[in-house]
Amino acid sequence: SYVLTQPPSVSVAPGKTARITCGGNNIGSKSVHWYQQKPGQAPVLVIYYDSDRPSGIPERFSGSNSGNTATLTISRVEAGDEADYYCQVWDSSSDLFGGGTKLTVL
Amino acid sequence: QVQLVQSGAEVKKPGASVKVSCKASGYTFTSYGISWVRQAPGQGLEWMGWISAYNGNTNYAQKLQGRVTMTTDTSTSTAYMELRSLRSDDTAVYYCARAVVAAAGRFFDYWGQGTLVTVSS
Repeated sequence: SYVLTQPPSVSVAPGKTARITCGGNNIGSKSVHWYQQKPGQAPVLVIYYDSDRPSGIPERFSGSNSGNTATLTISRVEAGDEADYYCQVWDSSSDLFGGGTKLTVL
Repeated sequence: QVQLVQSGAEVKKPGASVKVSCKASGYTFTSYGISWVRQAPGQGLEWMGWISAYNGNTNYAQKLQGRVTMTTDTSTSTAYMELRSLRSDDTAVYYCARAVVAAAGRFFDYWGQGTLVTVSS
């Protein structure tokens, strides 16, 4: 079965750029979606179809997908971006989430 | 505005069943699907399955086949998820999410607030 691999944690200073990766075999051939989840809250969609942003999501959030790695990039990181981030793909009629990455803003 | 409002927390004994509801508003219910996703304490997101609100087609995660049933009531724009033969490792927050379906797959653009299901003797 398909496996999505995310780093458990990423740390970044305020104002810098955070990059969160999602690895999978030939993931570049799939559409990748990203969710932000803050403690005690439901997930929020931040990127869909690799790089599209839902309305209301800041332009600081962007995505890319190529080869075996998809990447969520958060520019000019703010304290409010501290959260867990999950990638998601659809494979063989099932949806699959990565294990999640905890973003810590130093 | 799109809203998904879920039923309240449940406490169940091992072996029992639970049925969680998800009432949708703010959009045409039958134009989208509903997926259910759960999250055990301190763990990541686990996709449980999907139902088309248009025709009732379903597909379930393989590990839950035979224990889970998803249904919809289009007259009330409500989706339901029933999980049977509950075990302690079914203790989790259960979310419903509106599923946008396209040729390239699905994603989830609106989520319910979550329902905590606790399985304990």
